[in-house]
Amino acid sequence: QKEVEQNSGPLSVPEGAIASLNCTYSDRGSQSFFWYRQYSGKSPELIMFIYSNGDKEDGRFTAQLNKASQYVSLLIRDSQPSDSATYLCAVYNQGGKLIFGQGTELSVKP
Amino acid sequence: KAGVTQTPRYLIKTRGQQVTLSCSPISGHRSVSWYQQTPGQGLQFLFEYFSETQRNKGNFPGRFSGRQFSNSRSEMNVSTLELGDSALYLCASSLILAGDTGELFFGEGSRLTVL
Repeated sequence: QKEVEQNSGPLSVPEGAIASLNCTYSDRGSQSFFWYRQYSGKSPELIMFIYSNGDKEDGRFTAQLNKASQYVSLLIRDSQPSDSATYLCAVYNQGGKLIFGQGTELSVKP
Repeated sequence: KAGVTQTPRYLIKTRGQQVTLSCSPISGHRSVSWYQQTPGQGLQFLFEYFSETQRNKGNFPGRFSGRQFSNSRSEMNVSTLELGDSALYLCASSLILAGDTGELFFGEGSRLTVL
């Protein structure tokens, strides 16, 4: 079992729809959770972080965390073609390592 | 403000050789992390250095090593290269320990091909 798991996709949504990206993690002691975006041929860039259970909103992005279920998600509202990228979930585990999931490829169709 | 600089960007080696990759972090950043990215395994953590000390190491064999200099620049070395070492090696810097902020700034990577 991988420490951080994501569906690889591709996830295809129409422009204007809500894209929902999910991530589960195995280290119950993990405290910090991050979402990175990686465009094709580019390096990852941080888009959101969340530390506490519940929702955190930033513009069109909402991160959700449920530590009891060991589950993190990212919602993208009003999806745009420019949101098409691979989204990487990252978890800072008890061992002090920032571990990435394999990423979910998102495709937003005009 | 200059970003994270990695050199070389591309390199081709043969099995059994060794390679050294270099990373210059953003000015003022004290932490440098290294990741291996492959299509099958995604981003895998290699190690993190902070103030010249290795703070953490991933599950890679001893052929993978690294160091950090007093100016925060970092190098990683892979000895006795294997075909499976072909990958994009990404360096990322952060102001403090990666896990304290999670905000890593990635370089463009060094793409290694082992023949």
